[in-house]
Amino acid sequence: GAVVSQHPSWVICKSGTSVKIECRSLDFQATTMFWYRQFPKQSLMLMATSNEGSKATYEQGVEKDKFLINHASLTLSTLTVTSAHPEDSSFYICSARDMVRDDQYIQYFGAGTRLSVL
Amino acid sequence: GEDVEQSLFLSVREGDSSVINCTYTDSSSTYLYWYKQEPGAGLQLLTYIFSNMDMKQDQRLTVLLNKKDKHLSLRIADTQTGDSAIYFCAESRNDYKLSFGAGTTVTVRA
Repeated sequence: GAVVSQHPSWVICKSGTSVKIECRSLDFQATTMFWYRQFPKQSLMLMATSNEGSKATYEQGVEKDKFLINHASLTLSTLTVTSAHPEDSSFYICSARDMVRDDQYIQYFGAGTRLSVL
Repeated sequence: GEDVEQSLFLSVREGDSSVINCTYTDSSSTYLYWYKQEPGAGLQLLTYIFSNMDMKQDQRLTVLLNKKDKHLSLRIADTQTGDSAIYFCAESRNDYKLSFGAGTTVTVRA
């Protein structure tokens, strides 16, 4: 299957600082990537859809100024958590969409980034 | 409520078969997926099935789809300790986003 690389896998930062997480599709081009947040023992919550060359689409209740998304190339999307606070501590997972046939896609996921804000 | 529902826990003896069940609500879903998540890791795509199929088999994995009842199941034959993980059922929506179930925690006991 296709490979999605996510970096870093774990980051600890001080409250008030910003953290950038990278998501790369290694062996395919992804015009669309997704960013999810997962709380302990819960399912994935979609935060936003990242579209190459255009603005991201955020889900209801997600602060776009807090979670900045940039999708500057067909293989890279970044999520920047700005002015992080302890309540932003979570597991963030990205996925990239690969076309398997006309108008049909599969989402492949990165390994996730654990963010701890002190 | 949840668009995709699955039981939360399953305990199975090593060597037995595991069956994880899932129900979904969107009858227009074209793809249905099973993902596996090990502790502290991302989601690994296990298998997927097109909505025009009833069954798909891939080595130890068998997926059954009952479109009339909107029921999806994943059977793992000869379950091993490495199969202990959380398994997520997901359906594709018309906007190509995925709706996930809450995840089934499978525990394999010796």
